[in-house]
Amino acid sequence: QKEVEQNSGPLSVPEGAIASLNCTYSDRGSQSFFWYRQYSGKSPELIMSIYSNGDKEDGRFTAQLNKASQYVSLLIRDSQPSDSATYLCATNSGNTPLVFGKGTRLSVIA
Amino acid sequence: DAGVIQSPRHEVTEMGQEVTLRCKPISGHNSLFWYRQTMMRGLELLIYFNNNVPIDDSGMPEDRFSAKMPNASFSTLKIQPSEPRDSAVYFCASSRSTSGKNNEQFFGPGTRLTVL
Repeated sequence: QKEVEQNSGPLSVPEGAIASLNCTYSDRGSQSFFWYRQYSGKSPELIMSIYSNGDKEDGRFTAQLNKASQYVSLLIRDSQPSDSATYLCATNSGNTPLVFGKGTRLSVIA
Repeated sequence: DAGVIQSPRHEVTEMGQEVTLRCKPISGHNSLFWYRQTMMRGLELLIYFNNNVPIDDSGMPEDRFSAKMPNASFSTLKIQPSEPRDSAVYFCASSRSTSGKNNEQFFGPGTRLTVL
């Protein structure tokens, strides 16, 4: 059973701080890794994808992948109240569909 | 470009009634996914299609659920008969493929189903 684990939170950070969201996965064959943001009452929105070990930066977001340790993280710099949402981690391997974690709820306090 | 389109956005029905949810994937996407999301169970994959062919329906909870994809631009998820425990948000998503770097999934706005 392929699993993706996330701390459900809530993770509370003050405005302007760095929010760090973590995800571990069980399938060593996982090749693609994604972070989705889901606002309450809305659908998941893709914000980052990463395929290789290391860091990938996009604006205030940085995804970090460590395949040896089977974890992927998302850093949000200069957190804003508008970043308050649930963040879903997802992975897949080969020709299989994505496996999603249950998400971490982030609350940015103004 | 238009994203994934779902209809209806909200559906309220009575137990025992048939419910049909509709989805139009992003043009050019060959893979289509149906998900159900609840607070308790999170996002669950129900079924997915590649090139209009159902590949894996192991997530479909019961025989009351069925899905079709008659062409590349349309899919339906049907529940017959519906039960209160089917109440959830149902998402449709599409991607160019399920492998390589074309497997990014894009979600529709969802259908919020309430079965009374």
